[in-house]
Amino acid sequence: EAGVVQSPRYKIIEKKQPVAFWCNPISGHNTLYWYRQNLGQGPELLIRYENEEAVDDSQLPKDRFSAERLKGVDSTLKIQPAELGDSAVYLCASSLRLDPYNEQFFGPGTRLTVL
Amino acid sequence: QKEVEQNSGPLSVPEGAIASLNCTYSDRGSQSFFWYRQYSGKSPELIMSIYSNGDKEDGRFTAQLNKASQYVSLLIRDSQPSDSATYLCAVNRWRGNQFYFGTGTSLTVIP
Repeated sequence: EAGVVQSPRYKIIEKKQPVAFWCNPISGHNTLYWYRQNLGQGPELLIRYENEEAVDDSQLPKDRFSAERLKGVDSTLKIQPAELGDSAVYLCASSLRLDPYNEQFFGPGTRLTVL
Repeated sequence: QKEVEQNSGPLSVPEGAIASLNCTYSDRGSQSFFWYRQYSGKSPELIMSIYSNGDKEDGRFTAQLNKASQYVSLLIRDSQPSDSATYLCAVNRWRGNQFYFGTGTSLTVIP
């Protein structure tokens, strides 16, 4: 069974440029998560989807970040414009469904560097 | 107060020893608890989940949960150099299904 797929793996951009990350969850997983992980820190949730509905986006900086999950499968996270402080690893995870006992599985992440 | 707290380490143990990793959480309503291993430059990998008080064993790994003390731990027996990584504790507060990670404990197993 294929795991969570993310692309690109690495991205280097200049500040004020836009950037987008793509995620394909494990087949059959209805719940999709986007996290940001800064160096030496644990992942921090940005947004959580249940199928195509964003059920928790309270931590998403909505002035510059946006996300979508069309048809309840693939998801895209966008930053426009990027700032220096956005440099981090962006992780996508999925779980079978939204309940407290479900295990999350992570993709390889996208390492973003903003110059 | 952070939702999940871990000693950042680094923790060093000799090969073959038992490594003990600890985690505390703030919300008594938390229902599920997870340990992830993260190698440098890689994404977190789930190694254990535990939902009930007591111990849960899987190979060389044992997770321990004490809800009264709001404490969860991970024991790694017969530690190997390949166990050297950062171990992340994660807690799911079912109220809102909020999932929180600690900052991780860095473990080094010395050959």
